[in-house]
Amino acid sequence: GESVGLHLPTLSVQEGDNSIINCAYSNSASDYFIWYKQESGKGPQFIIDIRSNMDKRQGQRVTVLLNKTVKHLSLQIAATQPGDSAVYFCAEMVQGGKLIFGQGTELSVKP
Amino acid sequence: DAGITQSPRHKVTETGTPVTLRCHQTENHRYMYWYRQDPGHGLRLIHYSYGVKDTDKGEVSDGYSVSRSKTEDFLLTLESATSSQTSVYFCAIQKDSTYGYTFGSGTRLTVV
Repeated sequence: GESVGLHLPTLSVQEGDNSIINCAYSNSASDYFIWYKQESGKGPQFIIDIRSNMDKRQGQRVTVLLNKTVKHLSLQIAATQPGDSAVYFCAEMVQGGKLIFGQGTELSVKP
Repeated sequence: DAGITQSPRHKVTETGTPVTLRCHQTENHRYMYWYRQDPGHGLRLIHYSYGVKDTDKGEVSDGYSVSRSKTEDFLLTLESATSSQTSVYFCAIQKDSTYGYTFGSGTRLTVV
């Protein structure tokens, strides 16, 4: 079946460094991808999205890169802050508009 | 979370009792989803709805039923709660099939 996975379950970075969270997807027909952030005790929150007609999209301190050739998605966080500590999920939109979520990567920011 | 409310936020219930979780939205979005989140399993889809009285099963629907009699409310019922249904339950809404989801704050359910 279709799946979205992450290369690393945990990531620890120093405050101020850049963070990169990776995601692999399996459905080459997927055309919409989203990154969510989930803080402890809260629901997932939308961070940034990208459609398949783009290979890069930037937001405030975040950038999503899409490589359709190798079916890879990454989230880059610039100047990581303690408030960025959370679990990050990638999601892939499949036919019918449903999202398939990866397992999540826990980002820990050391002061 | 803007426009979406889950109730209750926390619940402890006994094995064998029925439990209903409520998801209420004020966005008038057509699509609604129920997920459960467990360590090691991520978010798994239980049921979803594409409109009033239009519901379907997700990947982990056994033991759960849903109802959507109004656009704004999507109810998840555990007919006879079991310990394996101890989890955090999230509702999500979606404007249409080309948009992402907005999630509620979740319901932490403990079945003892």
